[in-house]
Amino acid sequence: DTAVSQTPKYLVTQMGNDKSIKCEQNLGHDTMYWYKQDSKKFLKIMFSYNNKELIINETVPNRFSPKSPDKAHLNLHINSLELGDSAVYFCASSVTDYNEQFFGPGTRLTVL
Amino acid sequence: QKEVEQNSGPLSVPEGAIASLNCTYSDRGSQSFFWYRQYSGKSPELIMFIYSNGDKEDGRFTAQLNKASQYVSLLIRDSQPSDSATYLCAVYSSASKIIFGSGTRLSIRP
Repeated sequence: DTAVSQTPKYLVTQMGNDKSIKCEQNLGHDTMYWYKQDSKKFLKIMFSYNNKELIINETVPNRFSPKSPDKAHLNLHINSLELGDSAVYFCASSVTDYNEQFFGPGTRLTVL
Repeated sequence: QKEVEQNSGPLSVPEGAIASLNCTYSDRGSQSFFWYRQYSGKSPELIMFIYSNGDKEDGRFTAQLNKASQYVSLLIRDSQPSDSATYLCAVYSSASKIIFGSGTRLSIRP
């Protein structure tokens, strides 16, 4: 019974390519998030959605576009990948934006 | 000044001792406070949350919150080698978002 799942777990791609990461939660939560964790382990929020509506959009390049088809899914599409996009991307969900978050297993993206 | 600050460590503690992890935050209007544990190569998992001033205990873990001084701490009693991990402090700020600190690496030596 996976609570928050992400696919793929690993993603290796060339600079300039476009890729997507999918996230699903079966916890019935209203709020979902995307985080980027860099090599120094700093966890930085990118986006949050509440019931399919965009709530937080941090200073993330326009190449990153989240999509929430329903409140259980939040996908992340990245255009024109750059070397600096290499990181671990975590999806998370919570009941509301001030409650504890449950994290997915992460997607390690490597851009060559 | 960072919004949520933690000492990066590594903090080395002998097995069986008390590990004390500290976190300070800059937004006085912050409302909720969380401690997450992250093992290497894994995702963060919630250890404790605290909303009110004072102490909150759960097993070997105690979270302490002092809103006047704007700090939150995590005490781990009877430290075990399995407690070796990075501990992330997170704060729900008045801007309605959760901000994570950069984490403290804890190492429990046998």
